[in-house]
Amino acid sequence: DVKVTQSSRYLVKRTGEKVFLECVQDMDHENMFWYRQDPGLGLRLIYFSYDVKMKEKGDIPEGYSVSREKKERFSLILESASTNQTSMYLCASSFRQGPSYEQYFGPGTRLTVT
Amino acid sequence: GQQLNQSPQSMFIQEGEDVSMNCTSSSIFNTWLWYKQDPGEGPVLLIALYKAGELTSNGRLTAQFGITRKDSFLNISASIPSDVGIYFCAGGNDYKLSFGAGTTVTVRA
Repeated sequence: DVKVTQSSRYLVKRTGEKVFLECVQDMDHENMFWYRQDPGLGLRLIYFSYDVKMKEKGDIPEGYSVSREKKERFSLILESASTNQTSMYLCASSFRQGPSYEQYFGPGTRLTVT
Repeated sequence: GQQLNQSPQSMFIQEGEDVSMNCTSSSIFNTWLWYKQDPGEGPVLLIALYKAGELTSNGRLTAQFGITRKDSFLNISASIPSDVGIYFCAGGNDYKLSFGAGTTVTVRA
């Protein structure tokens, strides 16, 4: 079974703090994705990566950055957290070839910025 | 991302009922997928559709990829209490997915 794990299920941070969210997958997937989920808005893509050290902006990259130093690990960084970044953050991974649209998700990190 | 309109926004089910939800877009997609999310968990893939007109089943779930490639529907037959959750449609292009806002399914008291 595909396993995508996220470093924290719940996180509370203060405005202005630097926040790291980590994601690890064990299926040797080339593609990795970070989404945020807000009620009534579905999932919105923040950043994605097709390969190690490679990153592409998604639909809402402002205020976020990412790092992919190893194939299995994809980190989301909030350089200076703000209250409007309070949300559920979901990581996903998929193959680059074949069923590349079939993304597998981690359990999510619910981040609250106070 | 591309805009997907998912309806209904919410629905109540009674055990044994058949339920249906759909997704439409002004854009063409190469693939349509349906996910289910339980409270406090990440979405889980239910069905993936890769060909226009394709009808695919997974147990009590049936989904279709619209012939125009701009829509998809999901049917759940003989619903059971564990069918509650949020169902998302997703359209795929360029190896990325665009998601609908979700259909929340709850049990009618």
